[in-house]
Amino acid sequence: DVKVTQSSRYLVKRTGEKVFLECVQDMDHENMFWYRQDPGLGLRLIYFSYDVKMKEKGDIPEGYSVSREKKERFSLILESASTNQTSMYLCASSLDLNQPQHFGDGTRLSIL
Amino acid sequence: AQTVTQSQPEMSVQEAETVTLSCTYDTSESDYYLFWYKQPPSRQMILVIRQEAYKQQNATENRFSVNFQKAAKSFSLKISDSQLGDAAMYFCALTGTASKLTFGTGTRLQVTL
Repeated sequence: DVKVTQSSRYLVKRTGEKVFLECVQDMDHENMFWYRQDPGLGLRLIYFSYDVKMKEKGDIPEGYSVSREKKERFSLILESASTNQTSMYLCASSLDLNQPQHFGDGTRLSIL
Repeated sequence: AQTVTQSQPEMSVQEAETVTLSCTYDTSESDYYLFWYKQPPSRQMILVIRQEAYKQQNATENRFSVNFQKAAKSFSLKISDSQLGDAAMYFCALTGTASKLTFGTGTRLQVTL
């Protein structure tokens, strides 16, 4: 079974802080994704990566950056957290872009 | 650009009954894939069923089946013999051959006794 592990289930940070969300997958998948999930809006893609050190902007990249130094790890960075970034963040991975994605448990991030 | 629309924010079904969740989509690609994902409360999102657009036959996975109407760009999910464990948010999603996955806004399914 594919396992996608997100480092925290719940996180509380303050406005202006730099925030790191970590995600690790154990199935040697090429593709990794970061989404945010908000009520009534579904999942929106922030960034994705199709290879080590490669990244592509998703639909809502503003205020975020990502890092993929190793194949199994994909980090989401909030450079200067703001209250409108309070959300559920989901990480996912897939073998190919048209294959099903496997999701982590999610990180519920609150910015105060 | 591709879009996915789920017009039912909430649905309710009685245990052992059948329910159908609606999804319509739009894409300019001729080859694409459609998915239904399930997200139980406070639990991980998991794949329910997958449909390749080039296949005419509707996908089936145990109690879950789809009604794929390509010309109408419709992809509904039918859950038969509903169980309490089926209560969840259900998301319809679409991807082209080399494009990102686009999700609908979700349908919350409640299962009652």
